[in-house]
Amino acid sequence: KAGVTQTPRYLIKTRGQQVTLSCSPISGHRSVSWYQQTPGQGLQFLFEYFSETQRNKGNFPGRFSGRQFSNSRSEMNVSTLELGDSALYLCASSPQTGELSPLHFGNGTRLTVT
Amino acid sequence: EDKVVQSPLSLVVHEGDTVTLNCSYEVTNFRSLLWYKQEKKAPTFLFMLTSSGIEKKSGRLSSILDKKELFSILNITATQTGDSAIYLCAAVNPHALNFGKGTSLLVTP
Repeated sequence: KAGVTQTPRYLIKTRGQQVTLSCSPISGHRSVSWYQQTPGQGLQFLFEYFSETQRNKGNFPGRFSGRQFSNSRSEMNVSTLELGDSALYLCASSPQTGELSPLHFGNGTRLTVT
Repeated sequence: EDKVVQSPLSLVVHEGDTVTLNCSYEVTNFRSLLWYKQEKKAPTFLFMLTSSGIEKKSGRLSSILDKKELFSILNITATQTGDSAIYLCAAVNPHALNFGKGTSLLVTP
């Protein structure tokens, strides 16, 4: 079974631009979550989608948004990029939503904002 | 505010040593605690703990949860250089996985 696939692997953008990251979950997984990882803050939860609906959202500004398609693939968008958005963005999938379903992570997209 | 604290933040040991990593949590509506190992990229799942006092084992790794004292430990015996990684714990509630900042473990030959 293929794992969680994230594209692109690396991105360099300038301040003020916007960016879209993509995540394909493990086949059959319907829940997709997004996390931001930085050295200072660790892994921080952005949002979770299940069956095309946002189920939960972390404490990030409205510049961070996402969506999920009918095939469970998900995209995350960050508008008006700031230097502090430089991070590793990790996507994770699980078979079901909810708290008893461990996440399977992708390799991440490394975003650098200059 | 939900909080997960891991200690130590970093650790250097010699091959063959035994290490204990700590994770304490204060999370509303706690459901489970997860441990992950992160080497270069994707965190890989190690354990899910939902009940107090029941040890989970996988080879040289084991973990246990104390829901009364709100902590979990991850033990690694007979460490090998391949155990070098960041170990993450996450306390799960219905809203999110709340991750700690991780323990960076370096095992030297």
